[in-house]
Amino acid sequence: DVKVTQSSRYLVKRTGEKVFLECVQDMDHENMFWYRQDPGLGLRLIYFSYDVKMKEKGDIPEGYSVSREKKERFSLILESASTNQTSMYLCASSLKSGSLNTEAFFGQGTRLTVV
Amino acid sequence: QKEVEQDPGPLSVPEGAIVSLNCTYSNSAFQYFMWYRQYSRKGPELLMYTYSSGNKEDGRFTAQVDKSSKYISLFIRDSQPSDSATYLCAMRVTSNTGKLIFGQGTTLQVKP
Repeated sequence: DVKVTQSSRYLVKRTGEKVFLECVQDMDHENMFWYRQDPGLGLRLIYFSYDVKMKEKGDIPEGYSVSREKKERFSLILESASTNQTSMYLCASSLKSGSLNTEAFFGQGTRLTVV
Repeated sequence: QKEVEQDPGPLSVPEGAIVSLNCTYSNSAFQYFMWYRQYSRKGPELLMYTYSSGNKEDGRFTAQVDKSSKYISLFIRDSQPSDSATYLCAMRVTSNTGKLIFGQGTTLQVKP
């Protein structure tokens, strides 16, 4: 079974803290993604990576950065957490999209609360 | 205007009903169309996958894509309480990155 594992299910952080969300996949996928999910807004792409050390901004990158030092691991960093970053964060991975079968597999999500 | 629009519902139906879920989109370059299902406190899982226009059937589920109208649908026949979940449409262009654009998600409740 494909497995995408996010390091925490629930996190509570204070405003101004630097926050690290970790994601690991075990299927040797090239692509990895970070989304946030908010009621009424669906999933919005923050950043994605199509190869080690490669990253591209998604639709809402402001206030976030990412790191991909190894193929299996993709980290999301909140440089200085703010209350408007309280959300559900979802990590996903998929094969390189040259093939038709590019199903994205998701982790269980991290519910982050910034107080 | 969002690239992908989906009525967030919520939608409540009796068991056995036919459910129709829909998304519209604005980017004519989208070629791959997906429906994900997300149960409460879980990550989304792929339910149906369609390339370009046409229909695809899998058991009680049918996915339709009408590229001329920029409209996709998911039909659920003989709906069951276990179908209660949030349904997310997603789509992407032909590229190597696999970047998916999601709709807002529709929350469905099937009442016994």
